[in-house]
Amino acid sequence: QLQLQESGPGLVKPSETLSLTCALSGGSIDSTSYYWGWIRQPPGKGLEWIASISYSGTTFYNPSLQSRLTISVDTSKIQFSLSLTSVTAADTAVYYCVRHGGQWFDPWGQGTLVTVSS
Amino acid sequence: QSALTQPRSVSGSPGQSVTISCTGTSSDVGGYNYVSWYQQHPGKVPKLMIHDVTKRPSGVPDRFSGSKSGNTASLTISGLQPEDEADYYCCSYAGSYIFWVFGGGTKLTVL
Repeated sequence: QLQLQESGPGLVKPSETLSLTCALSGGSIDSTSYYWGWIRQPPGKGLEWIASISYSGTTFYNPSLQSRLTISVDTSKIQFSLSLTSVTAADTAVYYCVRHGGQWFDPWGQGTLVTVSS
Repeated sequence: QSALTQPRSVSGSPGQSVTISCTGTSSDVGGYNYVSWYQQHPGKVPKLMIHDVTKRPSGVPDRFSGSKSGNTASLTISGLQPEDEADYYCCSYAGSYIFWVFGGGTKLTVL
């Protein structure tokens, strides 16, 4: 059974770069049937899709965040990563990594809270 | 402000049915049969309940059903159970620029 696990710093200073990694276990990342993505949820608020990538490197970005985003995949390490530059307090959220099956998201990682604060 | 509009809250008694609406536009909900629904209990990870408007993943009770009419999708939960109390989010594919958009979420209370 596929499991996803996010990792990264829980605290990032304003204007710095947020970097997260999602490691897969129990499944393969190099499938043509799936994409891999990130979704975030600010405390007490709703969900926001951020970015997605295929194992071959095709990327999709939320246009409202695109200028600050980079998503990448490392098939040798069976993981994918997210980088968000110039963070502000508005980027404070629980960040989930997900698998895309078609046009839906399943499964989800456990999520990691990232707080932007000096 | 979320791209898709959901009621902030709905409620029902055990055994009853409730419907949660998700209203978008012809560029998202109305334009594609790619609406999905997620259940999130407090402090927990969202769980896929419905995809492609009406399809239920394995393991999801058949009390949960999805539908769509025009620019509005709906999630209906019949035979409400206490464990159904949670937040529910809809999501729609929105084309090759916006990609995926979520609703603001609906809090379901089982009275």
